[in-house]
Amino acid sequence: AQKVTQAQTEISVVEKEDVTLDCVYETRDTTYYLFWYKQPPSGELVFLIRRNSFDEQNEISGRYSWNFQKSTSSFNFTITASQVVDSAVYFCALNTGTASKLTFGTGTRLQVTL
Amino acid sequence: ETGVTQTPRHLVMGMTNKKSLKCEQHLGHNAMYWYKQSAKKPLELMFVYSLEERVENNSVPSRFSPECPNSSHLFLHLHTLQPEDSALYLCASSQAWGGSYNEQFFGPGTRLTVL
Repeated sequence: AQKVTQAQTEISVVEKEDVTLDCVYETRDTTYYLFWYKQPPSGELVFLIRRNSFDEQNEISGRYSWNFQKSTSSFNFTITASQVVDSAVYFCALNTGTASKLTFGTGTRLQVTL
Repeated sequence: ETGVTQTPRHLVMGMTNKKSLKCEQHLGHNAMYWYKQSAKKPLELMFVYSLEERVENNSVPSRFSPECPNSSHLFLHLHTLQPEDSALYLCASSQAWGGSYNEQFFGPGTRLTVL
């Protein structure tokens, strides 16, 4: 069975601060994919990134960066110089099977204030 | 229209009503999904359709009845719901059902309140 844990329920930061959202996963499979989604107040989940289990290179996209460490089963997400528009709920998800079935964490609500 | 659209965005219904949620995807995808999102709980996968055939049904009560008339449209028919069914219902689509690498694209959801 697979599981995704996002221990941080809510995080509040002031604009321009850096913030890291934690994601820890559990699976016995050696091949799997990890995802991050953003859910703004409008409701839809927006796909941010996909990472496969064989690629441990960190990724940077603008102010966003992801740190994947198989040794600790973690796939953490850092926002540099946060902005008010980053306020949302962020979900980490895992897929290990042969079908497109995601296991989601409970999400972390990020509040960025001026 | 682009992406995944859902109507209505908000719905209030009594326990004896019958209503339907509609989802449409404009991405040419072959798989469509219904999720339930309740406060402080992980997203719950309800149903999956691949090429208009139901491939996943996660022990969802029969008062929820999905329908997929073609690969672009997905419905969720609701009848005799309970107050605990109040939630955000999200529709998603992906290029295919097979393969663990497919990202899913989500609609904005229908906020359902059952009185």
